Amino acid sequence: GENVEQHPSTLSVQEGDSAVIKCTYSDSASNYFPWYKQELGKRPQLIIDIRSNVGEKKDQRIAVTLNKTAKHFSLHITETQPEDSAVYFCAASGWDGNKLVFGAGTILRVKS
Amino acid sequence: EPEVTQTPSHQVTQMGQEVILRCVPISNHLYFYWYRQILGQKVEFLVSFYNNEISEKSEIFDDQFSVERPDGSNFTLKIRSTKLEDSAMYFCASSEYRGDQGYTFGSGTRLTVV
Repeated sequence: GENVEQHPSTLSVQEGDSAVIKCTYSDSASNYFPWYKQELGKRPQLIIDIRSNVGEKKDQRIAVTLNKTAKHFSLHITETQPEDSAVYFCAASGWDGNKLVFGAGTILRVKS
Repeated sequence: EPEVTQTPSHQVTQMGQEVILRCVPISNHLYFYWYRQILGQKVEFLVSFYNNEISEKSEIFDDQFSVERPDGSNFTLKIRSTKLEDSAMYFCASSEYRGDQGYTFGSGTRLTVV
């Protein structure tokens, strides 16, 4: 089955700097890759997603890139702010879209 | 914005007891899911449900678990005989299409087994 690896496990950046979180997946049939932000004790919230027919997608300060050949995708956050501090999860979903397989998460700390 | 609603927000139960976790998915959504998250760990898929039947389940979803959509709005997860290791946050989710469209999570039920 699908396996998603996520790195780094923790990431500390200065306010205003960029943050990059990387994920790799194992199943070449996966075609949907969402990113979720989770604040302490709260639900995961979708922040951006990308489908396999697109290489890059951007939404204001957040962007996601996908390399299907290498089976990895990345989250890029520019001009980080303290409120970006949270746990970020990547996930992958296969051709049938029946479930999401999550990465282990990245704790992002933005220092002001 | 439509929400997935879960009740209770926190449930404490004794080992061996049965618990039922309740979810109200978004009204026009057709696909329903349960996930769990042990404290400090990643979110893990338990089961997906469509057209009144389970469409996929994980290894975690063994015989002690069951799901039901008893009426047109509720979606429940039953754990028959709880174990200490069932302590986790349980998230319900729903989507209008198969999981790659508009996947919305509920706020979760924190289950504590003592």
